[in-house]
Order: sequence, then C-alpha cells, then structure tokens
Amino acid sequence: EAGVAQSPRYKIIEKRQSVAFWCNPISGHATLYWYQQILGQGPKLLIQFQNNGVVDDSQLPKDRFSAERLKGVDSTLKIQPAKLEDSAVYLCASSLFSLSGNTIYFGEGSWLTVV
Amino acid sequence: DQQVKQNSPSLSVQEGRISILNCDYTNSMFDYFLWYKKYPAEGPTFLISISSIKDKNEDGRFTVFLNKSAKHLSLHIVPSQPGDSAVYFCAASARNQGGKLIFGQGTELSVKP
Repeated sequence: EAGVAQSPRYKIIEKRQSVAFWCNPISGHATLYWYQQILGQGPKLLIQFQNNGVVDDSQLPKDRFSAERLKGVDSTLKIQPAKLEDSAVYLCASSLFSLSGNTIYFGEGSWLTVV
Repeated sequence: DQQVKQNSPSLSVQEGRISILNCDYTNSMFDYFLWYKKYPAEGPTFLISISSIKDKNEDGRFTVFLNKSAKHLSLHIVPSQPGDSAVYFCAASARNQGGKLIFGQGTELSVKP
C-alpha cells in the first residue's frame, strides 16, 4: 500500500517569497492533516481536513498560510509571504477517520528553508 | 500550554540494555496515546499505541505503559539495538476533538554498540 506522498522534498526561498507544498494521502483516508515541525520541537497541527471540509484550522496563521483540499483527496499548503520563522518541516499525514483512537500516518515531509 | 511533555531531550543506552522513554500529559480528556519514531530526513513512523482503558500494550521488543492517575506513559525497548537510534515522539488525542494528535518535544535515543 502506497504511503502519504509529499512534494517537493526540499525548498529554499527568500523571505517574502511564496511556496506551495503538495500532498497525496493514503488511498481511502478521509482525514488529512498538515503539521509544522520546527527543529527541536514536536510536530504542531496547522490544519485538519475531513474529506474536503476543514475540521480544525485554529493554529494556522491565516494571514500568510492557506490550504485546500478541493476534491477531498490531494491537498496543497501555501505560504505567502514567507518569513524566516517559517523555516521548518511541513508534514502531511492522513487517517481513516477524524476520531480519537485512529492511527495517523505521516509522509516524509517537505523541508523549507527561508533565507 | 504544553499538554504533552517529554522532559528528557536525549537518552544514551548500551546495546542489549533496556531503553525507557518517558512522557507526561496534562489533559485528562486524552484517551489514546501513541509513540512515533523519526529518523533524520524522514517523517515520523508509527510505532505503538495504547488506549486509556488499558495500562499496558506490548509489540515485540516495544512495550508502552500507561499510568492514568499520574498522567504518565513510558515506552520500554528491550533489548535495545543500534537501529533503534532515532528521535521518539509521544503523542496523544482526546475524545471529541476530531482525532488530532498533540505531540511532545521528542527524545533522541542513541544506542551504542
């Protein structure tokens, strides 16, 4: 079974530029998550989708971050304009349901460096 | 507010010995706990989980213990192997909160041959 796919793996941009990350979840998984992991910290949830609807985006900096999952499968996370503190790994994850007790599976991450 | 805490940033263990990684939490609504393992330049990989109705779950060399009264869980790896060297994250989810995971800061385990 194919895992969570993410691209690009690595991206270096200058501050104030924009960047977009793409994610394809495990087939059949209705729930998709974007997490941000800053070096030395645990992953922090940015946004959670159930099919193509947003379940939780309370931690998403909406002035610069946006995400969509238009057809309930693939998702895109965009940052515009980027700041130095956005340098992090952006992890996409998926699970069958949006219920506690459900295992969440992660992709390999998209590594962003803002200079 | 750090709801899940891993107070040891690093742990070094000799090959063949037991590794014990600890995790504390504050939210009494958490009802499911997981451990993830992360190698450099890779995403976190699910390792083992435990429901709040249990106090122990075992899978091969890995055992997770849950002490609800102390709001504490631990991961035991016996025997430890050099390939176990990685960062281990504790995570928790709460009922009625959509299944999202709250992560600890991670503990870097180094198993020396």
